[in-house]
Amino acid sequence: DIQMTQSPSTLSASVGDRVIITCRASQSISSWLAWYQQKAGKAPKLLIYKASSLESGGPSRISGSGSGTEFTLTISSLQPDDFATYYCQQYNTYPWTFGQGTKVEIK
Amino acid sequence: QVQLQESGPGLVKPSQTLSLTCTVSGGSISSGGYYWSWIRQHPGKGLEWIGYIYYSGSTYYNPSLKSRLTISIDTSKNQFSLKLSSVTAADTAVYYCARQRTISGFDYWGQGTLVTVSS
Repeated sequence: DIQMTQSPSTLSASVGDRVIITCRASQSISSWLAWYQQKAGKAPKLLIYKASSLESGGPSRISGSGSGTEFTLTISSLQPDDFATYYCQQYNTYPWTFGQGTKVEIK
Repeated sequence: QVQLQESGPGLVKPSQTLSLTCTVSGGSISSGGYYWSWIRQHPGKGLEWIGYIYYSGSTYYNPSLKSRLTISIDTSKNQFSLKLSSVTAADTAVYYCARQRTISGFDYWGQGTLVTVSS
């Protein structure tokens, strides 16, 4: 299985901060990567697909980049609604796998 | 607006079969271009993809669960289902159904249902 490793596991930040989350794949996945936001007790919400495509209705302050094995999710100016846990997911190779998650907390 | 809703028992005894159904509304499960998946999340943990079914009936299962897993589809009811046999406490999780576009991630999810395996 392809291992997806996110860093950091927890991130403390303030409203207005620029936040970067990294996701590393154990082997190349081209650009077949998605990012999700999950809030407590809720289903994940798709933010980014194909590494850098913003899902319809998603805020423009969120962006994704990368290819191969290194990917980043950037929130340009953190808003109160952004405090949540974020997951990356590869869909290049079966079985599809997720990162362990990055929790963004209020500083 | 597409909506997915999981249904099924919240409590299953060890060694028995876990059965869940996902009902899709606001769109046809027979539309091409979508994979219909099951995903689970152990309490306080990350996400694990279980497997998918296409409207044609073709499936792909996570090898870690393949020997115990069956995913089926009923296009007449706009539903797809999960059966996981010989469950143990390690199968206790929130189970989600979700839709994936062929080039995208999972764009629509059910609200999730907690299944506890306990005697």
